[in-house]
Amino acid sequence: LAKTTQPISMDSYEGQEVNITCSHNNIATNDYITWYQQFPSQGPRFIIQGYKTKVTNEVASLFIPADRKSSTLSLPRVSLSDTAVYYCLVASGFQKLVFGTGTRLLVSP
Amino acid sequence: EAGVTQFPSHSVIEKGQTVTLRCDPISGHDNLYWYRRVMGKEIKFLLHFVKESKQDESGMPNNRFLAERTGGTYSTLKVQPAELEDSGVYFCASSHLTEQYFGPGTRLTVT
Repeated sequence: LAKTTQPISMDSYEGQEVNITCSHNNIATNDYITWYQQFPSQGPRFIIQGYKTKVTNEVASLFIPADRKSSTLSLPRVSLSDTAVYYCLVASGFQKLVFGTGTRLLVSP
Repeated sequence: EAGVTQFPSHSVIEKGQTVTLRCDPISGHDNLYWYRRVMGKEIKFLLHFVKESKQDESGMPNNRFLAERTGGTYSTLKVQPAELEDSGVYFCASSHLTEQYFGPGTRLTVT
């Protein structure tokens, strides 16, 4: 399973765009990149998943360069309610997910 | 569509007692996973069911933990006898394809 590295914490203000980059140098050919959001006392919530290039949904965008050794989660115009821990995970098929410490995002007024 | 549900939300038991956690996956999801987070640590994988079969149980800490998924629908995770170090939050997740959807977790406190 590919190991991921992401910043421990980030700070932002309401209305700004937040980009969280994750490094996964040992990503395998069959691996997908998935991002989760977690609030205190809740389970991780699926945000977005991609294999290559760019994926966008109603919540976020995921940018994956051609070499796939990193990925960037982009949250447009964050609000206070986006304060949470964000996890970048790499796995293939139906493999178990290996969670790291994630990135703690704090959005201030 | 209903999400993954877990019961109970909280459980407080004494060391040596038995506790059974339940997970109801999203309807139609053949894959069911158990994870847990113990105090101050990262979320760790416990095991993976495909329908009623255990696909991967490499994360089960010891034989005090027993997971079942009879009939391939809901799953139970029994801890017997519980130890202090079993305290933590137990998450269940299910998937149809590659995205896993998590339940709210069961907070287990062993005193």
